[in-house]
Amino acid sequence: QKEVEQNSGPLSVPEGAIASLNCTYSDRGSQSFFWYRQYSGKSPELIMSIYSNGDKEDGRFTAQLNKASQYVSLLIRDSQPSDSATYLCAVNDNAGNMLTFGGGTRLMVKP
Amino acid sequence: EPEVTQTPSHQVTQMGQEVILRCVPISNHLYFYWYRQILGQKVEFLVSFYNNEISEKSEIFDDQFSVERPDGSNFTLKIRSTKLEDSAMYFCASRDSERIASPLHFGNGTRLTVT
Repeated sequence: QKEVEQNSGPLSVPEGAIASLNCTYSDRGSQSFFWYRQYSGKSPELIMSIYSNGDKEDGRFTAQLNKASQYVSLLIRDSQPSDSATYLCAVNDNAGNMLTFGGGTRLMVKP
Repeated sequence: EPEVTQTPSHQVTQMGQEVILRCVPISNHLYFYWYRQILGQKVEFLVSFYNNEISEKSEIFDDQFSVERPDGSNFTLKIRSTKLEDSAMYFCASRDSERIASPLHFGNGTRLTVT
């Protein structure tokens, strides 16, 4: 059973601060990792993908991957109230046939 | 930007009835998926589909579920005899075939309510 674990939160940060979201996964053979954002009642929306160890930056978002520790994280700089949502970590199997989601971390950015 | 389209947005059905949820994946995508999300719970994988065959399915995807690509554009999920516990949001997703690691793009979902 492939597991993806996230702290459910809520994680509360003030506007302008850095939000740090974490995720661990059980399948050591996983090769591709994604962060999705989900607003209440809406579908998951892709924020970032990461495939190699290290950091990947895209605007205010930075994804970090450490395959040895089976750990993925997402940093959101200059957090805005509009960033308030549930952030889903997702891990793909090697064949790309099954993307497994974590339970999500609810982020609240307070003005 | 191309998107995955799902219909209907909300379906209400009585227990024991059959329902068909419809999806139009992004036109050049070849890999298709169904996920579900029970209210307040995680997004759960149901099934993946490629080249007119199921690639992978979860334990949730039992004999009551089936998928079909009846033509070149639609991808459907059928639940033969709905149960109360089938009430959930059902998401269709697709990805292109250039890379195994290409991300999934999700539709807006169909909220299924079984009464």
